[in-house]
Amino acid sequence: VHLVESGGDLVQPGRSLSLTCRASGFTFVGYAMHWVRQRPGKGLEWVAGINWDSTSVGYTDSVRGRFTLSRDNSKNSLSLMMHSLRPEDTALYYCAKDVGDFDAFDVWGQGTMVTVSS
Amino acid sequence: QPVLTQAPSASASLGASVKLTCTLSSGHTSYNIAWHQLQPEKGPRFLMKLNNDGSHTKGDGIPDRFSGSFSGADRFLTISNLQSEDEAVYYCQTWDSGIRVVFGGGTKLTVL
Repeated sequence: VHLVESGGDLVQPGRSLSLTCRASGFTFVGYAMHWVRQRPGKGLEWVAGINWDSTSVGYTDSVRGRFTLSRDNSKNSLSLMMHSLRPEDTALYYCAKDVGDFDAFDVWGQGTMVTVSS
Repeated sequence: QPVLTQAPSASASLGASVKLTCTLSSGHTSYNIAWHQLQPEKGPRFLMKLNNDGSHTKGDGIPDRFSGSFSGADRFLTISNLQSEDEAVYYCQTWDSGIRVVFGGGTKLTVL
């Protein structure tokens, strides 16, 4: 079971960036998926989650309206579109697999770094 | 929404045992949680899901040295026979029906 994140980059404040998580080794369609971030020197922070059929999507307050989470079950992929990026969005972003439908996380990726700076 | 409270740090000697605590906020004391380990330069690792009846489901390959328990609002992670590789930050996680997920602040464990 593997999750591989990509798309992290250095971007200027106000710009957009898209992150992708590609899953393998399990039946992707059966599980909710999430993004979690770790800002430099800080703890884990849940960013957003989506259920198996995309009918339920949740966001933490600080990103709601700026980030959009989606999934493509035919491609076993999860995407996070981030708009109006702020310096405080600078973090290591992890993709995580749920054990079911908004429950514990049982598989994590290695993360992709997003740096928002001018 | 639930709040999870963890002590910022803990320490114990090599070969000893340590018990880490995660406390659920009032009104959420029956929630299930999960424990995760974050080692330096590595991605997080799922340790176990701890249910409010005391049962737990471990992640793949998690040794028997790691166990979970609870008492009231407190959820515990006990690590026995501490090894140097157990030095990490340990996070608890919970979730609710409002499509929200919450992490505790993490406990940094130092193995002396």
